[in-house]
Amino acid sequence: GQQLNQSPQSMFIQEGEDVSMNCTSSSIFNTWLWYKQEPGEGPVLLIALYKAGELTSNGRLTAQFGITRKDSFLNISASIPSDVGIYFCAGQRVTGANSKLTFGKGITLSVRP
Amino acid sequence: DGGITQSPKYLFRKEGQNVTLSCEQNLNHDAMYWYRQDPGQGLRLIYYSQIVNDFQKGDIAEGYSVSREKKESFPLTVTSAQKNPTAFYLCASSTVPGANVLTFGAGSRLTVL
Repeated sequence: GQQLNQSPQSMFIQEGEDVSMNCTSSSIFNTWLWYKQEPGEGPVLLIALYKAGELTSNGRLTAQFGITRKDSFLNISASIPSDVGIYFCAGQRVTGANSKLTFGKGITLSVRP
Repeated sequence: DGGITQSPKYLFRKEGQNVTLSCEQNLNHDAMYWYRQDPGQGLRLIYYSQIVNDFQKGDIAEGYSVSREKKESFPLTVTSAQKNPTAFYLCASSTVPGANVLTFGAGSRLTVL
């Protein structure tokens, strides 16, 4: 089945550092999304990408839709303690009423003060 | 404020008992979804509904049942047939079926004793 690969499972960084996460697949996706989940809560959408090569920012977050359509990257600059959480990538291969999202397994980010 | 409300937040169940998780949305979204989250496993789709009185199986529907009698409500029943029901359950909705932007509830944690 379709799979989105995120690794490593956990990342530990120092406050103020930048961090980059990627999400890869063996299949082409037409839409890439990045969600963040804080402990005990549901995921919240951070950035949505709709076009190959697209680079989109949301505050200190920047995400890119890979040219091959098989990957996406999320960068967080100048990390702060509230960046802690699980970061999921998600992809959609086709559009239409029956289309569903595929989620990666997530990367748990820890930020040391 | 519009959003998705899941209840209860925490639920304990004895083996062999059915339990129903509630999901209510006031976003006027057409589509609703149930995901299961296990540590390090990402989000796996259980059931989804594109319209009232209709629902479809997701990737891991065995041992679960749903109903969609009202647009705003999509309860999930975890039956005794579910062999490993202890997990975090997330309800989500989208404006239209197949939309890639999901709004999630805060989740319900089910523990089987």
